[in-house]
Amino acid sequence: KQEVTQIPAALSVPEGENLVLNCSFTDSAIYNLQWFRQDPGKGLTSLLLIQSSQREQTSGRLNASLDKSSGRSTLYIAASQPGDSATYLCAELSVTSGSRLTFGEGTQLTVNP
Amino acid sequence: NAGVMQNPRHLVRRRGQEARLRCSPMKGHSHVYWYRQLPEEGLKFMVYLQKENIIDESGMPKERFSAEFPKEGPSILRIQQVVRGDSAAYFCASSLGWGTGEAFFGQGTRLTVV
Repeated sequence: KQEVTQIPAALSVPEGENLVLNCSFTDSAIYNLQWFRQDPGKGLTSLLLIQSSQREQTSGRLNASLDKSSGRSTLYIAASQPGDSATYLCAELSVTSGSRLTFGEGTQLTVNP
Repeated sequence: NAGVMQNPRHLVRRRGQEARLRCSPMKGHSHVYWYRQLPEEGLKFMVYLQKENIIDESGMPKERFSAEFPKEGPSILRIQQVVRGDSAAYFCASSLGWGTGEAFFGQGTRLTVV
């Protein structure tokens, strides 16, 4: 059964700290991996998409990496800000899953001023 | 270019009523997906549609749930005879293509069954 796991489930950091969110997946036949942000009561905002042929993607203070051999992806957030507080979700699209994204449970991030 | 539009944002239904959730994909996108997020749970795939076709409905409950994406107009997720356990956030996503396309999500419809 295809699974996506995110660690930690919750994280609280002081403003300005660099942090790493982890995502692991069991299906190595991956098309792409996507990171999303979800604010309370809101929809999902796509942050970064990494294709299977890529190792990493960067957007502003965000950097996402993909290691297919170990089944892991990380989201690095530099110089965190209170506005970064949200739930971060990773989702895998794989050969096995076909058309569906398989989501992790998310990491709830709180950045304290 | 408007994003994925879902309406209504909030929907309250009494047990036994019908709920109809609408989704208009991003302009140019012909692939639509529905996901459900139950309270304190992750997002789960429900159904994948293209215009006038259901491609994959393996995540749909066997009864009371149906989806369509007509040639004209939005995609509709229909829940008949709603029960309390249907209370959840329902998200629609769209993409340009299958397999490698980035998925863009709407704001969701929060269904409450009373």
